[in-house]
Amino acid sequence: DIQMTQTPSSMPASLGERVTISCRASQGISNYLNWYQQKPDGTIKPLIYYTSNLQSGVPSRFSGSGSGTDYSLTISSLEPEDFAMYYCQQYDSSPPTFGAGTKLELK
Amino acid sequence: QVQLMESGPGLVQPSETLSLTCTVSGFSLTSYNVHWVRQPPGKGLEWMGVMWSGGSTDYNSALKSRLSISRDTSKNQVFLKMNSLQSEDTTTYYCARESPLGPGYFDYWGQGVMVTVSS
Repeated sequence: DIQMTQTPSSMPASLGERVTISCRASQGISNYLNWYQQKPDGTIKPLIYYTSNLQSGVPSRFSGSGSGTDYSLTISSLEPEDFAMYYCQQYDSSPPTFGAGTKLELK
Repeated sequence: QVQLMESGPGLVQPSETLSLTCTVSGFSLTSYNVHWVRQPPGKGLEWMGVMWSGGSTDYNSALKSRLSISRDTSKNQVFLKMNSLQSEDTTTYYCARESPLGPGYFDYWGQGVMVTVSS
């Protein structure tokens, strides 16, 4: 199985700050990399698919980039509703695997 | 609109079988793949398996011997059954729809159902 290493595991940040979350795959995943947001109540929301494509309705302050084994999610200016858990996920090969998550916390 | 809703028992005895139902609306099970994903308390997400739109299934090899996924298209339901439950199976179980935008991209998720394995 492809291992997904997500860093950092937690990130204190301030409103309006620009933040980047990284995700590294144990092998190349051909840009089949997706990002999700999970709120404390367990609700999971899709954000970005195939590395850099924004899900409909997701604010443009979210963006994704990367290639090969290294990918990232950037939030350009943090809003109050952005403080949550974020997970990367690959589907270049089965089984789909997720990173361990990044907890974005208010500083 | 698209919705998925998991249902099932909140408590299961060790060594017993877990049965969960994912009831979907707003799309057809014969057109979209539906996956099961689980999340232990305070931990990350683990893919369990998929009901392909054509009716076949695939499973995570780590769970394959204990897991079965089936469906009833007339009722818009996908079922998960997992036997020989142990404490490590205490998790929240989600069903999710696979998006047509990309393979393995889950564009709609249920709210999750928490299952505790305990006597």
